Amino acid sequence: GAVVSQHPSWVICKSGTSVKIECRSLDFQATTMFWYRQFPKQSLMLMATSNEGSKATYEQGVEKDKFLINHASLTLSTLTVTSAHPEDSSFYICSAREPPKEKLFFGSGTQLSVL
Amino acid sequence: GENVEQHPSTLSVQEGDSAVIKCTYSDSASNYFPWYKQELGKRPQLIIDIRSNVGEKKDQRIAVTLNKTAKHFSLHITETQPEDSAVYFCAAIRETSYDKVIFGPGTSLSVIP
Repeated sequence: GAVVSQHPSWVICKSGTSVKIECRSLDFQATTMFWYRQFPKQSLMLMATSNEGSKATYEQGVEKDKFLINHASLTLSTLTVTSAHPEDSSFYICSAREPPKEKLFFGSGTQLSVL
Repeated sequence: GENVEQHPSTLSVQEGDSAVIKCTYSDSASNYFPWYKQELGKRPQLIIDIRSNVGEKKDQRIAVTLNKTAKHFSLHITETQPEDSAVYFCAAIRETSYDKVIFGPGTSLSVIP
């Protein structure tokens, strides 16, 4: 299947700092990428849909100024957690749809811990 | 929007037995139904998928069935093995480029040796 690369795999930061997470489709062009948040033993909660060249679509309850998404090219989407706080600690995972069959493939995830 | 329900939330089976996980969806326009397996601390992996023009699909010990009329689909794992232990997620998707992908709440499967 297609490969989606996500970096970093884990990050520890101080409260108040910003953290950027990158998601790349390595062998295909992804017009749409999705960002999910996952708490332990829970499902994947969709945060936003990232479309190349346009603004991201955020799910209800997700602060767009807190979680900045940039999909600058067909192979790269970034999620920046601004002014991170301990409650932002979670597993963040991106995914991309591979055309033409639109199958969904996941990055390896980023475990964020905010101290 | 799409709403996906999944049952059971937890499932324990003896090694060698079969496991069945069921999902229901609300959007009748959904036409693509993937199943993902997520092991602890790892990314979800696509294990099988089915499109609405097919009623059943099988890949070795794994099969998926779809009932479009009733809007439900099921994952069947036969001859379960300890390495099948994981959380399984279903999704129901419209295959257009910009539709968001919503997952069911997941089923934690434990296969007891």
